[in-house]
Amino acid sequence: KAGVTQTPRYLIKTRGQQVTLSCSPISGHRSVSWYQQTPGQGLQFLFEYFSETQRNKGNFPGRFSGRQFSNSRSEMNVSTLELGDSALYLCASAKDRVASYEQYFGPGTRLTVT
Amino acid sequence: SQELEQSPQSLIVQEGKNLTINCTSSKTLYGLYWYKQKYGEGLIFLMMLQKGGEEKSHEKITAKLDEKKQQSSLHITASQPSHAGIYLCGADTIGNQFYFGTGTSLTVIP
Repeated sequence: KAGVTQTPRYLIKTRGQQVTLSCSPISGHRSVSWYQQTPGQGLQFLFEYFSETQRNKGNFPGRFSGRQFSNSRSEMNVSTLELGDSALYLCASAKDRVASYEQYFGPGTRLTVT
Repeated sequence: SQELEQSPQSLIVQEGKNLTINCTSSKTLYGLYWYKQKYGEGLIFLMMLQKGGEEKSHEKITAKLDEKKQQSSLHITASQPSHAGIYLCGADTIGNQFYFGTGTSLTVIP
């Protein structure tokens, strides 16, 4: 069974630009969650999508948005990039809602903002 | 403030030694998960604990959940260099938001 895949793996952007990251969940998984990991803040929850609807959102500004398609694939968008957005972005998929279900993580997308 | 505090922050042990990592929640736990991460990579799911007193083992790693204390411990027996990495606990809390702990970096010296 293929795992969670994320593209691209590495990305370098300039301040003010926008970026879109993609996540393909494990086949049959309907929940996709996104996390930001930085050395200072650790791993922080961004949002969860289930059945194409955002079900939960972490404490991030509106520049961070996402969506989920009918095939459960998800994209995350960050607009007007700031230096502080440099991080490892991880997505995770689960069979059902995140609560009480195992999440399986992708390898992450390393975003560097210069 | 961190909802999940892990201790210690880092650990350096000699190969073959046992070690314990703790994870304490400031909120009621509805599910506690342990993950391992190699630097800069995704997380590998280790195990999930849902009931107070529950204990699970996988190879040389054992995790326990103390619901009353809102705490979980991860114990590694006879550590090996392959155990090195960052260990993270994660938890479901009320409101269906998933939190991660502060992480524990483990180095195993051969």
